[in-house]
Amino acid sequence: DSGVTQTPKHLITATGQRVTLRCSPRSGDLSVYWYQQSLDQGLQFLIQYYNGEERAKGNILERFSAQQFPDLHSELNLSSLELGDSALYFCASSVDGNEKLFFGSGTQLSVL
Amino acid sequence: GQSLEQPSEVTAVEGAIVQINCTYQTSGFYGLSWYQQHDGGAPTFLSYNALDGLEETGRFSSFLSRSDSYGYLLLQELQMKDSASYFCALRGKLIFGQGTELSVKP
Repeated sequence: DSGVTQTPKHLITATGQRVTLRCSPRSGDLSVYWYQQSLDQGLQFLIQYYNGEERAKGNILERFSAQQFPDLHSELNLSSLELGDSALYFCASSVDGNEKLFFGSGTQLSVL
Repeated sequence: GQSLEQPSEVTAVEGAIVQINCTYQTSGFYGLSWYQQHDGGAPTFLSYNALDGLEETGRFSSFLSRSDSYGYLLLQELQMKDSASYFCALRGKLIFGQGTELSVKP
């Protein structure tokens, strides 16, 4: 158990809908990262927050947004969902430097 | 831009030693990390190199050559449970390689 909690574990929805994925980082970790992993693909970096502020942005679509709250939990919002958004979404956290990320068990999103 | 290249698949037998290579291109290098991911599971951290040389952690070791923009993960005394995907990642860039699927055969 990495100490990073993601909910829900599975999400099935329809095209055009909006969903919210939730992540609670390890106790004491200030940085939260979101990654997307499509079938048999690598981990695509979406966005990083540090202590409530956006720190780095990857190839995140405009339909996607995220935030980190004062209690350090984070939410990833995906809207106007398309079939291609079906993927495993991972949240990770770290203390400060990102040489060692702790990953949650992921949210499997299926868009039908 | 930044990129990492890894072989897509590697096969080895139980008890053997296997090396998974990673070459990278980046402007500004801060370190190379390695992660293991079992099918559908969470990636877990294995090793990290910021300086040239070998880092050893039990059966796993990682090597870095900054002048060659190259690193590798060495797995010794392979076990069936080592069958998984292995990713290298650039610290600071938050970018992962496409992963190497390791199959360990009896």
